[in-house]
Amino acid sequence: DTAVSQTPKYLVTQMGNDKSIKCEQNLGHDTMYWYKQDSKKFLKIMFSYNNKELIINETVPNRFSPKSPDKAHLNLHINSLELGDSAVYFCASSRQLNYGYTFGSGTRLTVV
Amino acid sequence: AQRVTQPEKLLSVFKGAPVELKCNYSYSGSPELFWYVQYSRQRLQLLLRHISRESIKGFTADLNKGETSFHLKKPFAQEEDSAMYYCALKTSGSRLTFGEGTQLTVNP
Repeated sequence: DTAVSQTPKYLVTQMGNDKSIKCEQNLGHDTMYWYKQDSKKFLKIMFSYNNKELIINETVPNRFSPKSPDKAHLNLHINSLELGDSAVYFCASSRQLNYGYTFGSGTRLTVV
Repeated sequence: AQRVTQPEKLLSVFKGAPVELKCNYSYSGSPELFWYVQYSRQRLQLLLRHISRESIKGFTADLNKGETSFHLKKPFAQEEDSAMYYCALKTSGSRLTFGEGTQLTVNP
């Protein structure tokens, strides 16, 4: 009964490939997020969706495109992967008037 | 613009010693502050939120608006407290801005 689940947990791929990371939450939350944690453990928001609508779109390359088919899912598609995309990507969700986020377990992406 | 500063990247204490992880913020609105903890290779977990004024795992944090601080404290550190701690500020659009994190190591 995992609250926020991400797949895959690990992803190793070559430069130039296109890959997707999936996220699902069963908490009934309205808002979902993608965060990137770099090698220095710094966490930075990438995107946020509220009820399938994009509300936060930070300065990330156009190669990153989020998709929210419904409010329980927020997927992240990455085109033409680069070495610098290697990081841990965390999905999270929250209520609109939230007490905090619930995070997924992360997807460790390694681009070789 | 909102900003969260955690001045110590690394903090090392001995078991049983008091520990304080510093957090300062800048935000023009009314702040909502949180502490998150990340144990080795695990997901981030909410530890504390200033609204609830609770104590979790012996940790407390008080919001000091005058000093714009939200330091995390524990009187007696345990080895299992070793983890990465993030202070976070909630602003418009439910955005959470994180500090750079403090890696706490509690030595036996």
